[in-house]
This record gives sequence, C-alpha cells and structure tokens, in this order.
Amino acid sequence: QQQVRQSPQSLTVWEGETAILNCSYEDSTFNYFPWYQQFPGEGPALLISISSVSDKKEDGRFTIFFNKREKKLSLHITDSQPGDSATYFCAAMPNYNVLYFGSGTKLTVEP
Amino acid sequence: AQTIHQWPVAEIKAVGSPLSLGCTIKGKSSPNLYWYWQATGGTLQQLFYSITVGQVESVVQLNLSASRPKDDQFILSTEKLLLSHSGFYLCAWSPGQGAETLYFGSGTRLTVL
Repeated sequence: QQQVRQSPQSLTVWEGETAILNCSYEDSTFNYFPWYQQFPGEGPALLISISSVSDKKEDGRFTIFFNKREKKLSLHITDSQPGDSATYFCAAMPNYNVLYFGSGTKLTVEP
Repeated sequence: AQTIHQWPVAEIKAVGSPLSLGCTIKGKSSPNLYWYWQATGGTLQQLFYSITVGQVESVVQLNLSASRPKDDQFILSTEKLLLSHSGFYLCAWSPGQGAETLYFGSGTRLTVL
C-alpha cells in the first residue's frame, strides 16, 4: 500500500507560470512533510518542509499548502523558471528515522 | 563543511554475484545514516538506517544487508545479486534530528545482468 501519493506524474508549464504539485497521504499520524527536488543523475535535495501544526509554509517562490483534515498537501512554484525543471518528491515521516516518499512529479518548465 | 562520498559511482554485475557499496561522511561526528534505493524513474524506498556505530535498523530488506563499521562509514551489501536489485542506491546523512533533514550523496548506479 502506497503511503504517499503524488499527482500529476508529469507537468509542463511555461516560464513565469505557477506550477502546482499535489500530494496526499494515508496515515493521519504523519506529522512532518518535506519536499525534495531531484535533478537527473543526482541525489535529492531538501527544498521546503512543513509540520502538521501549520497550514502554509513559504520560502521564496515555493509555498506548501497543507490540509490536515483532507490529508492533502500541494507545492506551488510561482514564476517558474527553466532551472526548476526537475522531479519533485513529497515525503512523510511515520517515525523519527523513517521517511516515506511519493512517486514524484516530473516538472518541465518551457522557456 | 560536511561532505558525503559514495563509491563506486556505477557498477555492472552479474546475477548471483556479491555486492558491496559504500558511503563516507566527513566533517560531522556521529551522524544518522540512511540507505535508499530508487528504481529507474521511480520513488525512493528506505532500506536501512543507523544512529550509532555497530547498530543498523532495517526498514525494507530486499535481500540486502547493511553495516556501520565506523562512525563515518555505512556499507550496503549482499552475497547474491538479483535482477531486481538494479537501480540507484543513495546514502544520506542527517545531523541528528532524525530524518527531518536528509543530505543525500550522488548515488551509485547498479545494473544487474
């Protein structure tokens, strides 16, 4: 059973548009949700994260919106740039040293 | 500054052969260490973690084992490779707050034929 789900699988936006990446999870006890960005051939890097006590977290052009009741999150990337083209993974922490990752959304930003 | 080094960068191995992958972290004492596996184009699946020398916890085994022989070293191994072991193996470390912030290495690409 997949604990963390992401949609869409791939997304293409034009430069300057807002990209919206979606994530949902199964277990209501999950309380920490990081998003990782991965470029081809590299390891992922932490982009932004949110805990379940917040409903919004902003860092520059990246914003997480969190709906605890519906067990859903979304990552909004405003003013998308070609350099943002990467795969984005949503993750959830079931316990202190374990992280479940979603299947990822491959974002392409066209110039 | 902390650095993480994984070796080898890539391996091509035969089914049934043994495997040993390594990871070293420099510049950080007593890090938490993690192994992840990523199928080509797929998600990351956590395999093991270790919070101290000599202790390793399994999350998903996949017929692999892990060891932490030194504070800064994490080893992933198996005596007999399967085709399903192909993929991208990533080592990560965290500064001690569990898995809240993971710093990943550049990975090892494993192809099993």
